Amino acid sequence: DAGVIQSPRHEVTEMGQEVTLRCKPISGHNSLFWYRQTMMRGLELLIYFNNNVPIDDSGMPEDRFSAKMPNASFSTLKIQPSEPRDSAVYFCASSKDRGRENTEAFFGQGTRLTVV
Amino acid sequence: AQSVTQPDIHITVSEGASLELRCNYSYGATPYLFWYVQSPGQGLQLLLKYFSGDTLVQGIKGFEAEFKRSQSSFNLRKPSVHWSDAAEYFCAVGARGTDKLIFGTGTRLQVFP
Repeated sequence: DAGVIQSPRHEVTEMGQEVTLRCKPISGHNSLFWYRQTMMRGLELLIYFNNNVPIDDSGMPEDRFSAKMPNASFSTLKIQPSEPRDSAVYFCASSKDRGRENTEAFFGQGTRLTVV
Repeated sequence: AQSVTQPDIHITVSEGASLELRCNYSYGATPYLFWYVQSPGQGLQLLLKYFSGDTLVQGIKGFEAEFKRSQSSFNLRKPSVHWSDAAEYFCAVGARGTDKLIFGTGTRLQVFP
């Protein structure tokens, strides 16, 4: 398996523009997570899905952020409109079993977002 | 709610020296505990994990960690550090029955030759 695949790897956009980050989880995994990493706040869980259903979105910072998982092999994180303070590295991760002992999150390489 | 504290933001050691990175967690029951490593520009890679059983857990790259319930700690250790171990290390706690992982703020390890 190629692992968790995120695109794009880097994104530079102007303030006010819409940004869409994409994630393909590992085949067979049924949980998917979006994290944001910044120097100031570290690694924050934004939202996670189980079987394509959002389970906990309490980490989503505000209404400008939205996430979808239309099927088991694809998820998006959208920011509209984007602001400079959204600049961060966004990670997607997936795991296989919910709450079982072999639960382990596998991370993608991240998308570095810069909003100017 | 669970939380994780990594008291050391930055640690510097000489190559060949021993290493201990601290992690303290807050959770009402026995948690799942993880250590991840992040190399520059990369995603996070799992080093080791604790779910139950033996409180001393062995991981990849010669790392180990010990779960101490009385101290709410899960410190990461390595007897002899290699230059390639320079990276950022994250401790994480998961609640049983969910997949949600909460990460600490990380410890950046620098290794001098």
